[in-house]
Amino acid sequence: SQQGEEDPQALSIQEGENATMNCSYKTSINNLQWYRQNSGRGLVHLILIRSNEREKHSGRLRVTLDTSKKSSSLLITASRAADTASYFCATEPYNNAGNMLTFGGGTRLMVKP
Amino acid sequence: DAGVIQSPRHEVTEMGQEVTLRCKPISGHDYLFWYRQTMMRGLELLIYFNNNVPIDDSGMPEDRFSAKMPNASFSTLKIQPSEPRDSAVYFCASTLSPSAPQHFGDGTRLSIL
Repeated sequence: SQQGEEDPQALSIQEGENATMNCSYKTSINNLQWYRQNSGRGLVHLILIRSNEREKHSGRLRVTLDTSKKSSSLLITASRAADTASYFCATEPYNNAGNMLTFGGGTRLMVKP
Repeated sequence: DAGVIQSPRHEVTEMGQEVTLRCKPISGHDYLFWYRQTMMRGLELLIYFNNNVPIDDSGMPEDRFSAKMPNASFSTLKIQPSEPRDSAVYFCASTLSPSAPQHFGDGTRLSIL
């Protein structure tokens, strides 16, 4: 079963608008990571947030983590057509005992020019 | 660095044939992962290696699937005999440690007719 579940499954916005994607997970984690996947390509790591962090920024990306609600959000500000991709969250379970990252089902983002 | 390299990029074959997918991880990465991605099931971890040793193969669908890592710079995923339901995109990824971001290849798109 998937640990992380993204919401919404698909999102369509205009260039310049902000895009927010959410991720919920079920068990305690060490860290949560966000990845982007362009069509026909592999996943690319965007940002990692540890369980003791609440917010992290990287360029136009802002990630928040609420461990009490077991949820995270990825905000892309001032979106561009090149941001069109699928976005996945992945969780590393707490006390990783050989359990690796578990990926969610992804959010498909379309940014219209 | 060249990144994770997978071959072939595309493979089309008839059911019953043997299929071999290849992966070269990033030099120095101790962990190597094989994933399968489909629309229905998302991204699934099939097996991962640490220092060339298979650690968890619980995601391997059945005995028709096997994976090897004869050295630190090469891994194969073999399906024999192949079936139409094996059609998917197969990704290889590598990383320095379980908590670190994973680096993905661009995948092999496999079609079994």
